[in-house]
Amino acid sequence: DADVTQTPRNRITKTGKRIMLECSQTKGHDRMYWYRQDPGLGLRLIYYSFDVKDINKGEISDGYSVSRQAQAKFSLSLESAIPNQTALYFCATSDPGQGGNTGELFFGEGSRLTVL
Amino acid sequence: KNQVEQSPQSLIILEGKNCTLQCNYTVSPFSNLRWYKQDTGRGPVSLTIMTFSENTKSNGRYTATLDADTKQSSLHITASQLSDSASYICVVSAKKAGTALIFGKGTTLSVSS
Repeated sequence: DADVTQTPRNRITKTGKRIMLECSQTKGHDRMYWYRQDPGLGLRLIYYSFDVKDINKGEISDGYSVSRQAQAKFSLSLESAIPNQTALYFCATSDPGQGGNTGELFFGEGSRLTVL
Repeated sequence: KNQVEQSPQSLIILEGKNCTLQCNYTVSPFSNLRWYKQDTGRGPVSLTIMTFSENTKSNGRYTATLDADTKQSSLHITASQLSDSASYICVVSAKKAGTALIFGKGTTLSVSS
């Protein structure tokens, strides 16, 4: 089984629908992240969480919300999906790394979302 | 502004040939630099990490270099294989609170037979 599991892997939805992407991990890491990947733009950070009670906005958080239900679970919600949220979404985990800086990121397999 | 620029944007080479990917950064204060490999339809996987004091590090046929003075890193792939076809992403970590990761947009490498 994968260390970082994302569900669903693929989802097609319509504008205005609420969508939840779920992420669970068995790495035992406290830090979890949601990224969005678009062609030509690379990976961009949506939200991150350093422990169960910690939620932080990334560079593109507008239109998204997250929930950290447990150390191992971090979900991303689109309250009212719009077409420009069509993208590949990745969940990742990490340990603190040396000196408190971010260690190696371990990514899930991705969730491809299409908003019509 | 902290930035990571990768070149070329894409590259096509023949199987068995060598290639070098470049990463220039303007991140300060610098903590470390990682190269990730992302196969099509998969999540990125770390290849190597470079810290300030390291100049060269190898991982099989992959060799990363770091010049902290010029703020440049390269990833050299020797004797390329079809399985090397992927995107290669340079990620620089700034020494500060928070996540502080700056991502390059990646280089897409295609190895043909």
